[in-house]
Amino acid sequence: QVHLVESGGGVVQPGRSLRLSCAASGFIFSTYGMHWVRQAPGKGLEWVAVIWYDGSNKYYADSVKGRFTISRDNSKNTLNLQMNSLRAEDTAMYYCARDIGRYSSSSLPFDYWGQGTLVTVSS
Amino acid sequence: DIVMTQSPDSLAVSLGERATINCKSSQSVLYSSNNKNYLAWYQQKLGQPPKLLIYWASTRESGVPDRFSGSGSGTDFTLTISSLQAEDVAVYYCQQYYTTPPQFTFGPGTKVDIK
Repeated sequence: QVHLVESGGGVVQPGRSLRLSCAASGFIFSTYGMHWVRQAPGKGLEWVAVIWYDGSNKYYADSVKGRFTISRDNSKNTLNLQMNSLRAEDTAMYYCARDIGRYSSSSLPFDYWGQGTLVTVSS
Repeated sequence: DIVMTQSPDSLAVSLGERATINCKSSQSVLYSSNNKNYLAWYQQKLGQPPKLLIYWASTRESGVPDRFSGSGSGTDFTLTISSLQAEDVAVYYCQQYYTTPPQFTFGPGTKVDIK
């Protein structure tokens, strides 16, 4: 079955960097677009970034553009999120999630989610 | 950017009764070339990640009970739970995936409790 496991979260000071990873299993990772979605404590969902199944396109929320970079390694079934210049408002649970369809070059909803990894930005 | 709003913020419904959640987008999410509404609904229980319930506004995801249904078109959408069960206590979010280039946006969520 589909399994997504995030890692890399922790406490980090403002202005510093952190790299999140998402290990995927149970499906052909290289055929699905992947997303990062975050949720601040007690708040709603905020989409962060998407990467196409082949890595050819990447898109970001305005709130993270220029600071965060999404990437993937299809040979290792891994999704990454490099987060630089972190701010207090980046404090959240970060989820990786999968597109509902394969080989998509358009927007689709997310059918599988990991359990999340918590990022706390605080001095 | 498309802004999503939901109403009510929260509701309490008796077991077995109907629960209705509304979602409105600031612009149409109906793509005329394929006549599909790019609107999804998710359920998030306490301490868990979200779960996809409905996509294309009215298509139920595999394994989702048929008491959950979605309706609407253009800018106004509804999620209905026809007979509320205890396990349906959760926050429900709508999401648009219409925007190109992709800028997925979620509604603020509606909390459903048992009365």
